[in-house]
Amino acid sequence: DGGITQSPKYLFRKEGQNVTLSCEQNLNHDAMYWYRQDPGQGLRLIYYSQIVNDFQKGDIAEGYSVSREKKESFPLTVTSAQKNPTAFYLCASSLRSQGAYEQYFGPGTRLTVT
Amino acid sequence: EDQVTQSPEALRLQEGESSSLNCSYTVSGLRGLFWYRQDPGKGPEFLFTLYSAGEEKEKERLKATLTKKESFLHITAPKPEDSATYLCAVSRSNTGKLIFGQGTTLQVKP
Repeated sequence: DGGITQSPKYLFRKEGQNVTLSCEQNLNHDAMYWYRQDPGQGLRLIYYSQIVNDFQKGDIAEGYSVSREKKESFPLTVTSAQKNPTAFYLCASSLRSQGAYEQYFGPGTRLTVT
Repeated sequence: EDQVTQSPEALRLQEGESSSLNCSYTVSGLRGLFWYRQDPGKGPEFLFTLYSAGEEKEKERLKATLTKKESFLHITAPKPEDSATYLCAVSRSNTGKLIFGQGTTLQVKP
């Protein structure tokens, strides 16, 4: 079955630690995205990648980093510089980035930092 | 500034009571408008893409329509399993980036 997987579903970390969230897709999509969702707020774009070895900052990139070494994978690292890391993180992919291609989402990772 | 506003924030319906959700947008160079359904604790599920004013799409009890300034998601004779948060998003020209509204949380009571 084609789709997007995110792991783990729940993640707990102590303040000051970096943590990496996994995102894999087998849809053969060129573009991948990371969003953050907080209660009462819409999805906010963190980073996106249009092609392997290339990525751009979204609206709230500070305190996050990404890599895109393979077409199928787009891991997100939440660094200790992110001031409010506790949130629900969603990964998505689309066939292309330019134009109006629908994005398909993974199941999400809920990160709690204490 | 590009913006997407959804209303109402929350909607309670009785089973079978039809209604509409609104998505108003201001964006330069609209390439597409998307509707998603999100269940609690899960990722959004794609429903529809609308590309131009006057376009309509249907899926079971849902029908999405688009004008130059807003989109409506009409729910006909809803069932409890239609309870979810419905998200609207627009695609800006030439970037593929989506701007999301805050969502409408729908509760359908039996």
